[in-house]
Amino acid sequence: EAGVAQSPRYKIIEKRQSVAFWCNPISGHATLYWYQQILGQGPKLLIQFQNNGVVDDSQLPKDRFSAERLKGVDSTLKIQPAKLEDSAVYLCASSLVPDYTGELFFGEGSRLTVL
Amino acid sequence: GENVEQHPSTLSVQEGDSAVIKCTYSDSASNYFPWYKQELGKGPQLIIDIRSNVGEKKDQRIAVTLNKTAKHFSLHITETQPEDSAVYFCAADDEKLTFGTGTRLTIIP
Repeated sequence: EAGVAQSPRYKIIEKRQSVAFWCNPISGHATLYWYQQILGQGPKLLIQFQNNGVVDDSQLPKDRFSAERLKGVDSTLKIQPAKLEDSAVYLCASSLVPDYTGELFFGEGSRLTVL
Repeated sequence: GENVEQHPSTLSVQEGDSAVIKCTYSDSASNYFPWYKQELGKGPQLIIDIRSNVGEKKDQRIAVTLNKTAKHFSLHITETQPEDSAVYFCAADDEKLTFGTGTRLTIIP
């Protein structure tokens, strides 16, 4: 079974530029999450989708971050304009169950460096 | 919201010895406590979890204990092996998963 796919793996941009990350979850997983992991910290939830609807985006900085999940499968996370503090690994995860009491399957992440 | 504290931040143990990582949480409503292992350059992977109606759970060399009264839970790894070297995260569920800050475990051959 294929795992969660993410791209690009690495991205370096200058502050105020924009960047987009793509995620393809495990087939059949209706729930998709984007997490931000700053170096030395645990993952922090940015947004949760159930199919193509948003369940929780309370920690998403909506002035610069946006995410969508068209057709309930793939998802993109966009940052515009980027700030230095956005340097982090952006992890996508998917799960079969609609709440947090089931296993989350993470991708390998997209590492963003903002100069 | 939930606050999860994890200790220690780094841990080195001799191969074959045991390792213990401890976490505390703040929200008494939390009832699901997973542990994730993250190897270098990879995403976290679930290794064990425990729900609030259980005090202890074991899976081969890995065990987790939960004390709901004291609001703390611990990960125990016995007979450690070099492949156990990784960063381990605890988490607690209060409508969304809140992760601890991680423990970098190094197994010394």
